[in-house]
Amino acid sequence: DAGVIQSPRHEVTEMGQEVTLRCKPISGHNSLFWYRQTMMRGLELLIYFNNNVPIDDSGMPEDRFSAKMPNASFSTLKIQPSEPRDSAVYFCASSFLAGASGSTDTQYFGPGTRLTVL
Amino acid sequence: KQEVTQIPAALSVPEGENLVLNCSFTDSAIYNLQWFRQDPGKGLTSLLLIQSSQREQTSGRLNASLDKSSGRSTLYIAASQPGDSATYLCASKEGSARQLTFGSGTQLTVLP
Repeated sequence: DAGVIQSPRHEVTEMGQEVTLRCKPISGHNSLFWYRQTMMRGLELLIYFNNNVPIDDSGMPEDRFSAKMPNASFSTLKIQPSEPRDSAVYFCASSFLAGASGSTDTQYFGPGTRLTVL
Repeated sequence: KQEVTQIPAALSVPEGENLVLNCSFTDSAIYNLQWFRQDPGKGLTSLLLIQSSQREQTSGRLNASLDKSSGRSTLYIAASQPGDSATYLCASKEGSARQLTFGSGTQLTVLP
């Protein structure tokens, strides 16, 4: 398997523009996670999906952020309008949740998208 | 809310040394604890996962332990090599939540 695929790898945009980040999870995985990593705040969960359904979006910073998962093999994270403080590395991860507790599921991370908002 | 702390933030050792990285967490009701490695400009690679019912896990030169009662986990790296240089992050999963709470990481440099 190719692992988790993210695109683009780098994105530079101007404040106010719309940004769309894309993720293809590992085939067969049923959970997908979007994280943001910054020097100040480290790795933070933004939202996660289970079986394509958003389960917890409490980490989404504000209404400018939205995420979708139209099918099991694709997810998007959109920022509109973007602001300089959104500059960060955005990671997508996927896992296979087996059982109710999920005590054994390992998350596999993509290479990340480095976003710079000028 | 779970808080995960890693000390030290950075560590530099000569090649061949055995070393221990520390991770502490405030809520002991965890489902598992994972250790990840992150190379500069790259994503995270899972190294070891310890379930709440386990005390330790081993993979090659790596050994991770878990003490839920004290809220601590350690990652032991034997005979360190320059290729081990990276940032090591621990993360806990608690309750029925699927998300992980990450520590801020320890940046390890192994000098040749």
